[in-house]
Amino acid sequence: DAGVTQSPTHLIKTRGQQVTLRCSPKSGHDTVSWYQQALGQGPQFIFQYYEEEERQRGNFPDRFSGHQFPNYSSELNVNALLLGDSALYLCASSLGGGGSTDTQYFGPGTRLTVL
Amino acid sequence: RKEVEQDPGPFNVPEGATVAFNCTYSNSASQSFFWYRQDCRKEPKLLMSVYSSGNEDGRFTAQLNRASQYISLLIRDSKLSDSATYLCVVTTYSSASKIIFGSGTRLSIRP
Repeated sequence: DAGVTQSPTHLIKTRGQQVTLRCSPKSGHDTVSWYQQALGQGPQFIFQYYEEEERQRGNFPDRFSGHQFPNYSSELNVNALLLGDSALYLCASSLGGGGSTDTQYFGPGTRLTVL
Repeated sequence: RKEVEQDPGPFNVPEGATVAFNCTYSNSASQSFFWYRQDCRKEPKLLMSVYSSGNEDGRFTAQLNRASQYISLLIRDSKLSDSATYLCVVTTYSSASKIIFGSGTRLSIRP
C-alpha cells in the first residue's frame, strides 16, 4: 500500500523564480491538502483539492496555486518566490473532500530554500 | 490571539514520568480535534483523534473540554522514543472550513 509521495525532496531556487512541487496521494485517497511549515512552527494550511477543484484555502496569496489531476495527484505552484517562502512543504491525503473527518496522511515533504 | 495555541516547551522529563500538554482554541464552532506527532525533520503522523468522551490508546489519553475550549494529551510511563514535537489540530467545517495546526510542543525524555 503506497503512502503519500512527494517530489522533489529538496529544492533550491532564487528570488523571483517559480517552483512546482508534486504529490501523489495514498492509494484510495481522493483529497489532497498542502501545507507550509516554517522552521519551529506548525504546518500552515495552504489549500485543499477535491474532485480536481480547490475546495478550501488558507491565508496565502495568489502566488500560491495548485492543481489536481484525474488520478488525484496534485501540484503546488509558487510564483515570484520570496525569501520567506523557504519552508518544508507538506502534502497530506485523505478521503472524502472538505467536511470529512477522515484522517490526513502526510508525505515526507519538499524542503524549499529560496536564496 | 492565535486560533490554536500550544505551550512550545520544551518539556524535559525523565523516563517513566507522566507528562501532559494542553492546546487551546478560539473558535467555539470547531468540530474535529487531533494530536499529531512530528519527529525532527520528518512529516507529522497522526497520534490520535480526540473525542468529546475522551479516548485512550495505551499510554496516551486525549481529552476535549468544549466549555473551556481546550484539548489535552496525557502520556504515562514516558519512553525515550516519545521524544518528539506534539502538534494539536483543530478543524472547523463550514463554508470556510479551516484546518489549523498549533505550533507544537517539544517533548524530550531523558534516561
